[in-house]
Amino acid sequence: DTGVSQDPRHKITKRGQNVTFRCDPISEHNRLYWYRQTLGQGPEFLTYFQNEAQLEKSRLLSDRFSAERPKGSFSTLEIQRTEQGDSAMYLCASSFRQGVTTGELFFGEGSRLTVL
Amino acid sequence: QKEVEQNSGPLSVPEGAIASLNCTYSDRVSQSFFWYRQYSGKSPELIMSIYSNGDKEDGRFTAQLNKASQYVSLLIRDSQPSDSATYLCAPLDLSGGYNKLIFGAGTRLAVHP
Repeated sequence: DTGVSQDPRHKITKRGQNVTFRCDPISEHNRLYWYRQTLGQGPEFLTYFQNEAQLEKSRLLSDRFSAERPKGSFSTLEIQRTEQGDSAMYLCASSFRQGVTTGELFFGEGSRLTVL
Repeated sequence: QKEVEQNSGPLSVPEGAIASLNCTYSDRVSQSFFWYRQYSGKSPELIMSIYSNGDKEDGRFTAQLNKASQYVSLLIRDSQPSDSATYLCAPLDLSGGYNKLIFGAGTRLAVHP
């Protein structure tokens, strides 16, 4: 399988706990994006990387959220001190930067977070 | 705050009809536009891109763009039950020197036999 993979697919946690999600992009893709999606809404941009550099982070993202892509390959998204409002599907996507084709994102199946 | 507006639907059309999905966006700088399809419980997948004013056809799908009106649409001809999904409009946001997709909330399409 050469698609984007995410782990875990489902995570149930108690309020106040920390959670970490992992994303493995398509191997030749140099851009990696994190989005969050809640029911009835479109994906909301969180952050993205070009290789190992984090180029942009949403102003809506609180400092409880942090993302890394240490070697320009896989990425992790950590949420500290989770709140019930963090319950959502966390989507990872990758793309290969080449002119206008940067709008073509390949999404993983997502990691669904439920905070009790 | 960049905004992408879509009618949430559901848009219900009979099998074989034309489904028309509309999208307006607030960012005048956007030059590239994308339509993604998302089946229930699945992730979005790209179905169409459009960069120039006018129409772009790909099989049963036609994307239409009017940058002056900040309007983009997607037509699906000969709609099939398998087209039932949420369709997400996504302009490419170029602010800050970097680019990323900003998604609308999507329009849910239901094609009934």
